[in-house]
Amino acid sequence: QQQVKQSPQSLIVQKGGISIINCAYENTAFDYFPWYQQFPGKGPALLIAIRPDVSEKKEGRFTISFNKSAKQFSLHIMDSQPGDSATYFCAASRGGGYQKVTFGIGTKLQVIP
Amino acid sequence: DSGVTQTPKHLITATGQRVTLRCSPRSGDLSVYWYQQSLDQGLQFLIQYYNGEERAKGNILERFSAQQFPDLHSELNLSSLELGDSALYFCASTQGAANEKLFFGSGTQLSVL
Repeated sequence: QQQVKQSPQSLIVQKGGISIINCAYENTAFDYFPWYQQFPGKGPALLIAIRPDVSEKKEGRFTISFNKSAKQFSLHIMDSQPGDSATYFCAASRGGGYQKVTFGIGTKLQVIP
Repeated sequence: DSGVTQTPKHLITATGQRVTLRCSPRSGDLSVYWYQQSLDQGLQFLIQYYNGEERAKGNILERFSAQQFPDLHSELNLSSLELGDSALYFCASTQGAANEKLFFGSGTQLSVL
């Protein structure tokens, strides 16, 4: 049972373009939604995260948009660069201790010059 | 560098064998998480330990077991290995029991032949 559905699984974007990755969740108890970035040969690293009390969070070229009623959230990468080429995972978890983080299947992003 | 150390980086073994994967968390981190990453399943949560005690369990097979030792390092034991166990196994750590920012190691690539 996939509690966090992520799409697309692969994405090719031109340098300077906008990359958009979408996620949907089922469990309304989730209250923390991080995105992780993974480069080849490395483990995932936290990129940006949002809580459901805000609809948008921006850090540099990375923005999370959150729609609580639709149970959807998305990552937008503005002015995409070749260095952004990586696999991106959305995730969700419940607050408090001892709760597992549930990850989406991942999106492999390739930014071409 | 996340500060989480996993050994070995690569492991090649045969079906039916048993292997042990080792993880040293970041200095000061008490929680250790194990994840399995495969192309078709993404990142799947296996198990979490906090200060030596099991705290959460995910989709971990009965053939798999883990423990966290007094010095806080953790080991994941995989036995009666099958071809389908071939995957990238990640360890992550956090300071507290809450899992708001996971620090991942670089993973152990297990190949079962």
